[in-house]
Amino acid sequence: NFMLTQPHSVSESPGKTVTISCTRSSGSIASNYVQWYQQRPGSSPTTVIYEDNQRPSGVPDRFSGSIDSSSNSASLTISGLKTEDEADYYCQSYDSSNQVFGGGTKLTVL
Amino acid sequence: EVQLVESGGGLVQPGGSLRLSCAASGFTVSSNYMSWVRQAPGKGLEWVSVIYSGGSTYYADSVKGRFTISRDNSKNTLYLQMNSLRAEDTAVYYCARGVDVFDYWGQGTLVTVSS
Repeated sequence: NFMLTQPHSVSESPGKTVTISCTRSSGSIASNYVQWYQQRPGSSPTTVIYEDNQRPSGVPDRFSGSIDSSSNSASLTISGLKTEDEADYYCQSYDSSNQVFGGGTKLTVL
Repeated sequence: EVQLVESGGGLVQPGGSLRLSCAASGFTVSSNYMSWVRQAPGKGLEWVSVIYSGGSTYYADSVKGRFTISRDNSKNTLYLQMNSLRAEDTAVYYCARGVDVFDYWGQGTLVTVSS
């Protein structure tokens, strides 16, 4: 089994850009798609990025995803930060037998 | 509109059992992969189980042999039968559509295992 490691927390000011990383411990990050979920306090998770870089309808284009094989990691970038973006963000991927979530990153917009 | 509504959570003693339900609307449960994902208080997300459209089922090692996922096609409802519950099973349990990508989530139901 592999693990996905995220920073515990990040903070940035409104209007700025923030990037959250997600590093895969073993196996190639490119071998299975990576998803990103947003979870606001007291709410269920919602998908903001699927299949590495695809945005569901309704998710603003301020949200983007990418993968970097050299660092074996995925990234979620949020530009033009708004206070409503303050939430926990989880990356997720899988292999043949397991679904794996990262530990989550608390984004503070201050 | 796709909706998932969980129910059945509550307080149960260690060693006890509980059955969670997830009523779906806006799509057909039996035509989709359906999963359960849980979140312990203040912790991250943990995948629990999946049932494929063809009926195959898979479980996380932490619940294998104790939990059973199933569905009732006539009721368009997903279930999770949880037996031999432990304190570490305390969590909010979400049903979600999909397996490799979870595109819709329910609001969750809280299961507390405590004496």
